[in-house]
Amino acid sequence: DADVTQTPRNRITKTGKRIMLECSQTKGHDRMYWYRQDPGLGLRLIYYSFDVKDINKGEISDGYSVSRQAQAKFSLSLESAIPNQTALYFCATSAPRRGDYNEQFFGPGTRLTVL
Amino acid sequence: AQTVTQSQPEMSVQEAETVTLSCTYDTSENNYYLFWYKQPPSRQMILVIRQEAYKQQNATENRFSVNFQKAAKSFSLKISDSQLGDTAMYFCAFMPSGGYNKLIFGAGTRLAVHP
Repeated sequence: DADVTQTPRNRITKTGKRIMLECSQTKGHDRMYWYRQDPGLGLRLIYYSFDVKDINKGEISDGYSVSRQAQAKFSLSLESAIPNQTALYFCATSAPRRGDYNEQFFGPGTRLTVL
Repeated sequence: AQTVTQSQPEMSVQEAETVTLSCTYDTSENNYYLFWYKQPPSRQMILVIRQEAYKQQNATENRFSVNFQKAAKSFSLKISDSQLGDTAMYFCAFMPSGGYNKLIFGAGTRLAVHP
């Protein structure tokens, strides 16, 4: 099945460590997004990309970087993790030009804990 | 800047009864999309229902319906004949028309359906 996958699903790391969260999709969508979810705050946009040459900062990009290695892959990096980056991270894709009514399709999420 | 407000952090309902979740938003745009997402304990984000702002008719999907009041900038979700499987976090989200189709989420409402 066409899908959005995220690896790892859960990760515990220590302050100061570099960590990468990966997202892959088989939907053939050109638009990809990274969100983080915190209790009481909902989901907030970190970065988004329309294609491999188009990367944009979202609402809360400080402390994060991304790489769009291919149309199907969009990775999120924390160069030096800190405890307040403990959150649930979601990748999403969309392809409005295909008539999907702008729906975003979400991956299963990555639970990240920074000690 | 657009904002989405969900004023009910938690709600509960008895099985088979009806419950309404509230959502208000702030925007100066005339064309946009509104969504309700469900997040069960599995943490997967599931699209429940969508509404295009240019459509006056309220969207309906089986037991789920919305009350869209454009002038009041209100977008409530009604769940009829509540089922135990409806227990989840529900997020209201706003998407401007055009541009990068970024989603702006509310903080969420945690719904518990009791037998």
